[in-house]
Amino acid sequence: NAGVTQTPKFQVLKTGQSMTLQCAQDMNHNSMYWYRQDPGMGLRLIYYSASEGTTDKGEVPNGYNVSRLNKREFSLRLESAAPSQTSVYFCASRPGADTEAFFGQGTRLTVV
Amino acid sequence: TQLLEQSPQFLSIQEGENLTVYCNSSSVFSSLQWYRQEPGEGPVLLVTVVTGGEVKKLKRLTFQFGDARKDSSLHITAAQTGDTGLYLCAGEYDSWGKLQFGAGTQVVVTP
Repeated sequence: NAGVTQTPKFQVLKTGQSMTLQCAQDMNHNSMYWYRQDPGMGLRLIYYSASEGTTDKGEVPNGYNVSRLNKREFSLRLESAAPSQTSVYFCASRPGADTEAFFGQGTRLTVV
Repeated sequence: TQLLEQSPQFLSIQEGENLTVYCNSSSVFSSLQWYRQEPGEGPVLLVTVVTGGEVKKLKRLTFQFGDARKDSSLHITAAQTGDTGLYLCAGEYDSWGKLQFGAGTQVVVTP
């Protein structure tokens, strides 16, 4: 079972460049999430999609946009990358409220 | 400031010792979850607690949900080196589906 698949696994960007992080799940889950993880900060919620067709801001949405393309796919876009966006990004999905979240392997992004 | 406050941030103990990790908030949660994360991996669920006062056991791990559903604790008995990892609590409040995490407690168990 693939579970949650994130691409790419590693990326280096120059300041000002744009890129899209891709996430797909094959578990027919309703909810999908994007988090960033920095040292000592745990996981911070960037955006989430509680169900197909809806997206909402999390704790740290500035500088990011998302698209829930369909039930399987939830992408995260950085329009103009900044060094402060250097982080490890995790995508997650789960069936619904109060259920287990399943995570991808993460994308390690460095902005220079 | 994170919604869920975890303490301590870091814990280093020897094999065989016990440890407790805390997760506190001023908000009421419908449920709280505990995850463990290994280096280079995403977090993996350990347990979900739903009822105030609930206690759940998973082998040597004991999880408790506070009566008011604002706090939780994780107790590990006779820690082993395999318990090393980042322990994260998570909950949703405010909006349905908005799952948020604490900053985590890094646990290191040495032989």
